[in-house]
Amino acid sequence: DGGITQSPKYLFRKEGQNVTLSCEQNLNHDAMYWYRQDPGQGLRLIYYSQIVNDFQKGDIAEGYSVSREKKESFPLTVTSAQKNPTAFYLCASSIDVGPDNQPQHFGDGTRLSIL
Amino acid sequence: KQEVTQIPAALSVPEGENLVLNCSFTDSAIYNLQWFRQDPGKGLTSLLLIQSSQREQTSGRLNASLDKSSGRSTLYIAASQPGDSATYLCAVRSYAGNNRKLIWGLGTSLAVNP
Repeated sequence: DGGITQSPKYLFRKEGQNVTLSCEQNLNHDAMYWYRQDPGQGLRLIYYSQIVNDFQKGDIAEGYSVSREKKESFPLTVTSAQKNPTAFYLCASSIDVGPDNQPQHFGDGTRLSIL
Repeated sequence: KQEVTQIPAALSVPEGENLVLNCSFTDSAIYNLQWFRQDPGKGLTSLLLIQSSQREQTSGRLNASLDKSSGRSTLYIAASQPGDSATYLCAVRSYAGNNRKLIWGLGTSLAVNP
């Protein structure tokens, strides 16, 4: 079945450590997105990518980095510069980033906590 | 600046009841509006997408309407079932600013009691 796979489901970060969240899709979608979800706040966009080797900052990119070396993969690194990384991270994809009739498909998320 | 509000924040109903969830937005210049469902600890599932030129969309027991002029959308769930229990989120894609991103509401947490 086509879909988006995020791993791991749970992740723990130590002080000063960088961690990488995986996102893989087999939907042949060009656009991919990373969101952060916190209690009492709407989803916030961290980064998005329209095509391979291209990505753009969202609203809260500080302390995060991404790469898009393959169409299927869009990993997110939470760096030590992100001082409040505890959140639920969601990866999504869509056919492209055009505004018309493009529903986003989501993975099951990764919950990141601080040790 | 586009803002999306969902009311109520939480709703509890007995099984079989018809119910309406509300979503309002401040800027009527939108490309589309989407309704999503989120189960606890899970990702989001797209339910319905209404383009700006449309008035409503239907899928099974779900019907979503859009009134751009008043900045409102409703999600109607007919004959609710315990399996409908989840958080329902709406999101709009606006003309203004970066139209590549969605503006999200905080969601309505729905509990359908057997």
